This record gives sequence, structure tokens and C-alpha cells, in this order.
Amino acid sequence: NAGVTQTPKFQVLKTGQSMTLQCAQDMNHEYMSWYRQDPGMGLRLIHYSVGAGITDQGEVPNGYNVSRSTTEDFPLRLLSAAPSQTSVYFCASSRTSGAPAGELFFGEGSRLTVL
Amino acid sequence: AQSVTQLGSHVSVSEGALVLLRCNYSSSVPPYLFWYVQYPNQGLQLLLKYTSAATLVKGINGFEAEFKKSETSFHLTKPSAHMSDAAEYFCAVSFTGAAGNKLTFGGGTRVLVKP
Repeated sequence: NAGVTQTPKFQVLKTGQSMTLQCAQDMNHEYMSWYRQDPGMGLRLIHYSVGAGITDQGEVPNGYNVSRSTTEDFPLRLLSAAPSQTSVYFCASSRTSGAPAGELFFGEGSRLTVL
Repeated sequence: AQSVTQLGSHVSVSEGALVLLRCNYSSSVPPYLFWYVQYPNQGLQLLLKYTSAATLVKGINGFEAEFKKSETSFHLTKPSAHMSDAAEYFCAVSFTGAAGNKLTFGGGTRVLVKP
């Protein structure tokens, strides 16, 4: 089972460059989200979506855009990369109905370095 | 607003000894509480969850946690540590609502198991 798939696994950018982190899930989950993980700070929510065409901001949305054109895909776009966006990014998904809140399934992460 | 505090960013235990990881939360409404584990270079996996049923929750790999409302705590324990328990552990809180799958994570506790 593929579950949640993230690409790329590693990426190095220069300040000011843009890029897209891809996330796809094959579990027909309605809810998808992006977190960033930084040492000592746990995971912080960037953006989330409760279904195709619906997105909303999380705790740290600045500098990131998302869209949800299909149930399966939830790409995260960095508009103009900054060193402060150096982090490990995780995509996570879950059902929104019929499952306890918070039972997320995570991808393996994308490690981004901005020089 | 909800928040999660994990006491101790690093814990070192001997193989066979008790593992105790502390988590305190704040939430204005009845919470859902979770423990996730992250092995090196992997995403997070659900260990166990509290969703207002039994206050003592058993999870995978011999872990359990007890919800204590009076202490606003959800500490994670395992009676006997194994080398394979070396990982980072995250406590998280959520609650029911329109976007109830949004999780707020603690800062994480990295567990080192000594032979």
C-alpha cells in the first residue's frame, strides 16, 4: 500500500527560488494537511484542506500556498524561498467522517534546505 | 487555544527499565489526545489515542497512557524498554469540530535506550 507519498525527499534551494512539494494519497481521504518540523518545536500546521476545492491556513502559513484540485493531491508551493523555511515538511491525511479526530497518516517527509 | 507541553526533550533509559514520557495539555473543550512515534528518517506513526472512552489507553508495542483530567496530563509509559523503542515521541491534542483533524503537537521527546 502506498499510503501518503511525498516528493522530492530532499531539495536544496537558493534564496528567492520557488518550488513545489508534492503530496499524493491513495486512501480516498478527505482531509489533507502540511506540517513543518523544526528541532524542539514539534510539528506546526502550515495549511490544510477538508476536501477538493477547500483550503485553509494553519499556524504558520506565510510564504506558502496550497491548492486542492483533486481528492488525491495536495501540493505545497514555496513562493520565494527564505533560509527560515529550511525544515522537514510532512504531508498527512485522514478521513473527516467516521474516524476519531486526529488519526493522521503521514508521509515520509521532504527535507528542504534554503541557502 | 489549545497547547501541549512535553517535559524533557531527551530521555535516556536502560534496556528493560521503565519508560515514562510526560505530556500536559491545555484545551478549552474536551480534548482528543494522541501519542505519535517517529523513527529516524520516517514519518510519524500513531501509537495510541484517547477519545473520551477508557482513561487508560493501550497502544502498540506495549505502550500505554492514562488520561487524567484533574492534572491535564496524558503521560506515556512502557514497563520495559527495548532497543527498538529508540525514537522521538510526540504528544498531540485535537478536538471535535469542523476541522477536528487539526492536531497541535508538543515539542517532542527523543528516547535513547542504553544496552
